[in-house]
Formats: sequence, structure tokens, C-alpha cells
Amino acid sequence: AQSVTQLDSHVSVSEGTPVLLRCNYSSSYSPSLFWYVQHPNKGLQLLLKYTSAATLVKGINGFEAEFKKSETSFHLTKPSAHMSDAAEYFCVVTYYGGATNKLIFGTGTLLAVQP
Amino acid sequence: GAGVSQSPRYKVTKRGQDVALRCDPISGHVSLYWYRQALGQGPEFLTYFNYEAQQDKSGLPNDRFSAERPEGSISTLTIQRTEQRDSAMYRCASSFLMNTEAFFGQGTRLTVV
Repeated sequence: AQSVTQLDSHVSVSEGTPVLLRCNYSSSYSPSLFWYVQHPNKGLQLLLKYTSAATLVKGINGFEAEFKKSETSFHLTKPSAHMSDAAEYFCVVTYYGGATNKLIFGTGTLLAVQP
Repeated sequence: GAGVSQSPRYKVTKRGQDVALRCDPISGHVSLYWYRQALGQGPEFLTYFNYEAQQDKSGLPNDRFSAERPEGSISTLTIQRTEQRDSAMYRCASSFLMNTEAFFGQGTRLTVV
């Protein structure tokens, strides 16, 4: 079975300060992990993905995530927040060796960026 | 098309009515997924197609929900005898192949009154 836990439902940062959105996963197999972002009235957009290559993954808009197997974590970071980063972020796990590759979503973290 | 297109964007229906939600995937994408997202939650898997074959429908909550993709392109999710608990955002995603990035549409917001 696979699942993800997003440890914070809301995170608030000031513009220009670092962002840390936390995610822990559980998977019986070698997982593939993703972060998606959802802006209001928009579809879900893929930020970055980990699929068993490099453990430090770089995504769009300056976001990064590090896969840490020993900690079963896949936290999302950005060195300096921008107002346009305000959105909801979802950590997602799947297993590409399965029959379906259905994505298992976390409950989401709402990021607020204060001026 | 350029992206995954879902229609309608918003649907308000009376309890007991049937609704049909449409998904037009990216041209050439083989895999198509339906998800449901309740307020304050992450999307939850409903069903999955590979071409026209429904490979997994384990996430459909009950037999009032059904989906089809008869020609391996456009898909329709149908909810019969809607109930208030069916109110949610319904999201469709497509991918070129099973193990590749999934692209999501903007969703259909269903409200059952």
C-alpha cells in the first residue's frame, strides 16, 4: 500500500524567505514521487518528480525536493519565496511497476506568501 | 488539443438527477484517469483507461458511478441519481503512456442541491 502525509495544512512565509513544505511517504515498493501545484481556478501542474534517478530533484520556478529513503521523506524547498508561489501544493506517490500507476495524493499544503 | 479539456466547468444539479462529465484528453495520449477532489482534500483516484479499455475502476465509490471511453479518446464520467455527497471537483488527467507524466484538466465543479 502507498500513502503520503503532508505534515502542514497551512504554511505562511514572507516574500524572499525560504519555503519548506514537508511530505512523508509510505510505499511497499520503490516509489515514484511528485509535487504538484494548484493555483486558484487552474488545473494541477507538475512541479517536479523523482523516479529513482538523482535523489535531489530540481523542478520549475526554483523549487527542489530531496528524496531521503532513510527518513521516507520528500520535502519541497525553495530558497526565496515569491508572491506568485502562493498556491496549494500536493505531494504524490505512485508505483510505476503496478498495473495502474494511479497517483496517491496527500491532503495538500496551502502556501501563503506575505509581502 | 493543447491541454486536457473538461466540460462543463461548473455543474449544479438537483438531487436525484443524472449528470455526465466530459473529458477530452491531449491528442495521442493513451492513458486517461478520473479523480475526485472534495473540499480541503487531495484528489482521489476513481478509474483509469488504457485506450478504450477500463483497466481499473477500483476507486468508483458505488454503482451509481460509471465511466466510458468508447473510441480511446474522449471519456465520460456518469453519475446516476446524484446525492449531495457527490458534490466535489472532478478532475481528469491524461498521459502519453502509463508510466509518463500525467497532465490534468481544470476540472468540473459539481454541486448537488
